[in-house]
Amino acid sequence: AQSVTQLDSHVSVSEGTPVLLRCNYSSSYSPSLFWYVQHPNKGLQLLLKYTSAATLVKGINGFEAEFKKSETSFHLTKPSAHMSDAAEYFCVVSGPFGNEKLTFGTGTRLTIIP
Amino acid sequence: GAGVSQSPSNKVTEKGKDVELRCDPISGHTALYWYRQRLGQGLEFLIYFQGNSAPDKSGLPSDRFSAERTGESVSTLTIQRTQQEDSAVYLCASSYRDGLREQYFGPGTRLTVT
Repeated sequence: AQSVTQLDSHVSVSEGTPVLLRCNYSSSYSPSLFWYVQHPNKGLQLLLKYTSAATLVKGINGFEAEFKKSETSFHLTKPSAHMSDAAEYFCVVSGPFGNEKLTFGTGTRLTIIP
Repeated sequence: GAGVSQSPSNKVTEKGKDVELRCDPISGHTALYWYRQRLGQGLEFLIYFQGNSAPDKSGLPSDRFSAERTGESVSTLTIQRTQQEDSAVYLCASSYRDGLREQYFGPGTRLTVT
């Protein structure tokens, strides 16, 4: 079975400073990993996905994540936070066959301080 | 084009009543998923439909929960004899069948059981 641990339930950063949202995963197979974002009163949106190609994955809105197998981590970063980045972020691992049965982390709420 | 739609957006029901939640996937998407999101938690997988194959019901929490899908279109999630612990946001997602395809999420139905 697969699992995901998001190490911080809440992260606050000042506008213009770097963002780091941490995620560790566990699976018995080579997983595919995703980051989804959920803005208030809006649906979930895919930020980026790792599918065993390049270990550094670039997503939308300047976000990127690096897959580190030795550390079983998939941390999400952004060089400079923007007010519009305030949202809930979910790290997600796929089932063994790819897309089905996504397993979500408990989420990290990102607050941007003006 | 149109995204995944869900109805109703909000549902308040009394304990013991049955409820039906509807999901209209994106046209052409053969896979459809239901998830539950309890307050402050990540998403829990409930059920997965793929074309005409038997659905994966492994995430349904009890026999009070059931879901149907008409061909490759609309799906209905039914909760019988609702309990207060059923209160949550129920999210539907759809995707193409093959490969690692992004799941597109609907806005969800917020269910409150009083």
